Amino acid sequence: NAGVTQTPKFRILKIGQSMTLQCTQDMNHNYMYWYRQDPGMGLKLIYYSVGAGITDKGEVPNGYNVSRSTTEDFPLRLELAAPSQTSVYFCASSYSTDPGQRNTGELFFGEGSRLTVL
Amino acid sequence: QKEVEQDPGPLSVPEGAIVSLNCTYSNSAFQYFMWYRQYSRKGPELLMYTYSSGNKEDGRFTAQVDKSSKYISLFIRDSQPSDSATYLCAMSWGNYGQNFVFGPGTRLSVLP
Repeated sequence: NAGVTQTPKFRILKIGQSMTLQCTQDMNHNYMYWYRQDPGMGLKLIYYSVGAGITDKGEVPNGYNVSRSTTEDFPLRLELAAPSQTSVYFCASSYSTDPGQRNTGELFFGEGSRLTVL
Repeated sequence: QKEVEQDPGPLSVPEGAIVSLNCTYSNSAFQYFMWYRQYSRKGPELLMYTYSSGNKEDGRFTAQVDKSSKYISLFIRDSQPSDSATYLCAMSWGNYGQNFVFGPGTRLSVLP
């Protein structure tokens, strides 16, 4: 069982370039998330999706875009890369049932994509 | 004041020591409290989950929540070198991931 798979693991971009970070999960989770992790800072939510065709902004969405055409895939697009987007990006998924039902709160994370913008 | 505060460490202890990791928070609406463990160059993984106040024990790990003081703790007994990792606290007012607020993490090294 692969869980959450992210590609690429490492990437160096030049200022102004664009790229897509890929994320796929095989656990049939309906919720998926993109976080960024910077030194000394907690994980910050960029975008999330509650199901195929539905996405919403998190805390730090500027400079990013997402799409969710299938349950399994949740790519993150960086347009016009800037040095401030140098970070480690984590994709995560979770299973949530009907609103109001308690779940464990467990997020399953990928291994991360380390991005440097020069 | 940050919503969630956590001493970043690094914290170094000898093998077998009892480790105490802590977070403070400011939002009294938080009801769900979690500890995630993150090994170097890996994604975080859920270690402990607690709803509301009280203690929860799982093997060598104990999570405590004191909502009156807005303070949560993770205790590791008989620490092992394999416990060397960064420990992230997380909390939420709702049980969905988009509500989670993460602390910056405490880096722990357990020395053999």
